[in-house]
Amino acid sequence: LAKTTQPISMDSYEGQEVNITCSHNNIATNDYITWYQQFPSQGPRFIIQGYKTKVTNEVASLFIPADRKSSTLSLPRVSLSDTAVYYCLVGPQGNTPLVFGKGTRLSVIA
Amino acid sequence: DTGVSQNPRHKITKRGQNVTFRCDPISEHNRLYWYRQTLGQGPEFLTYFQNEAQLEKSRLLSDRFSAERPKGSFSTLEIQRTEQGDSAMYLCASSLAENEQFFGPGTRLTVL
Repeated sequence: LAKTTQPISMDSYEGQEVNITCSHNNIATNDYITWYQQFPSQGPRFIIQGYKTKVTNEVASLFIPADRKSSTLSLPRVSLSDTAVYYCLVGPQGNTPLVFGKGTRLSVIA
Repeated sequence: DTGVSQNPRHKITKRGQNVTFRCDPISEHNRLYWYRQTLGQGPEFLTYFQNEAQLEKSRLLSDRFSAERPKGSFSTLEIQRTEQGDSAMYLCASSLAENEQFFGPGTRLTVL
């Protein structure tokens, strides 16, 4: 499985757009990029998954450049409730089991 | 609430005691996973079931750990002779085949 690197922590003010970048230089041809969100004392929750270019849903957008060696999770206009740990995972679609790194701890400040 | 429930939510035990956790997955999900998460780390895979068959076990799952899913519905994770290093959050997840995994709230174990 491709190793991922993402910032340990980020701070943002409410209402700002937050971009979290994940590096995955050894991504394989059949690998997808998936992001999970975890609030304190809860299990992780799937946010978004993509293979290339751009994917958008009601929660976030995922930008993947042509070489796929990195990806950026974009959270529009964050609120205090977006304070959580965000994990970037890389692996074949439907990969079992999931392999998590340490994630990025996002703190949203009023 | 994802529909995956875990009990108990918290467990405090003394070193050397046995503990058992229960996970109730989303009813139509045929796959059930166990993960362990320590402070500041992401979840680490322990084992998973497809229906009642245990298909994969991580090297983290020492012989003190055993998991069952007797009727392909709920699952139990037992830790025998607990050690302080077993203190962690134990997470259960379920999925329909290889689709998205839905996680429960976890059981936090503290071994004194």
